[in-house]
Amino acid sequence: NAGVTQTPKFQVLKTGQSMTLQCAQDMNHEYMSWYRQDPGMGLRLIHYSVGAGITDQGEVPNGYNVSRSTTEDFPLRLLSAAPSQTSVYFCASSYKGRAAIYGYTFGSGTRLTVV
Amino acid sequence: AQKVTQAQTEISVVEKEDVTLDCVYETRDTTYYLFWYKQPPSGELVFLIRRNSFDEQNEISGRYSWNFQKSTSSFNFTITASQVVDSAVYFCALSGNNFNKFYFGSGTKLNVKP
Repeated sequence: NAGVTQTPKFQVLKTGQSMTLQCAQDMNHEYMSWYRQDPGMGLRLIHYSVGAGITDQGEVPNGYNVSRSTTEDFPLRLLSAAPSQTSVYFCASSYKGRAAIYGYTFGSGTRLTVV
Repeated sequence: AQKVTQAQTEISVVEKEDVTLDCVYETRDTTYYLFWYKQPPSGELVFLIRRNSFDEQNEISGRYSWNFQKSTSSFNFTITASQVVDSAVYFCALSGNNFNKFYFGSGTKLNVKP
């Protein structure tokens, strides 16, 4: 099915571990983004990309890395997990024309717990 | 700076009541877009509506309606004759003209009781 696919859906990490959250879209969208959702704070932008090879920081980039080697994939790397990174992570994609009309298409989210 | 404020953290209504969710935004862009998303208990984010800064017409879609007022920087969402299935968290969001970044409000949790 077309859309944004995030894996895994759930993950528990120990403090200091690293991991990669995967995000893939098959809609040939230019834009991809990562958000984290915390209680009472809505969704906050971590990193975003406007095309393959181009990434930039959002509101809360510390502790995360991204790369965009292909149009389809936009993985989010946690370098050294901390309890403050316990959150629900959403990947989203759009292209400018579609973004103007529909906003983002979101993945189903990854619930991450850091202990 | 871009900012979206949803002052109502949680609202509870009884089925068939009308309810309005408030959204106030701040932006210096002359062209911008406003969105509403619904997040049901299952957790996914569902797009509801987009409005651009040049279109102040109100919109109605079934039981949903949106009131956009640039003079007060507000984009409020009304559900008429609420139903239990409307129970969800609703987010208002703002994007500038480049669509690289969306700024979300903190969300309003709507509880519709039978």
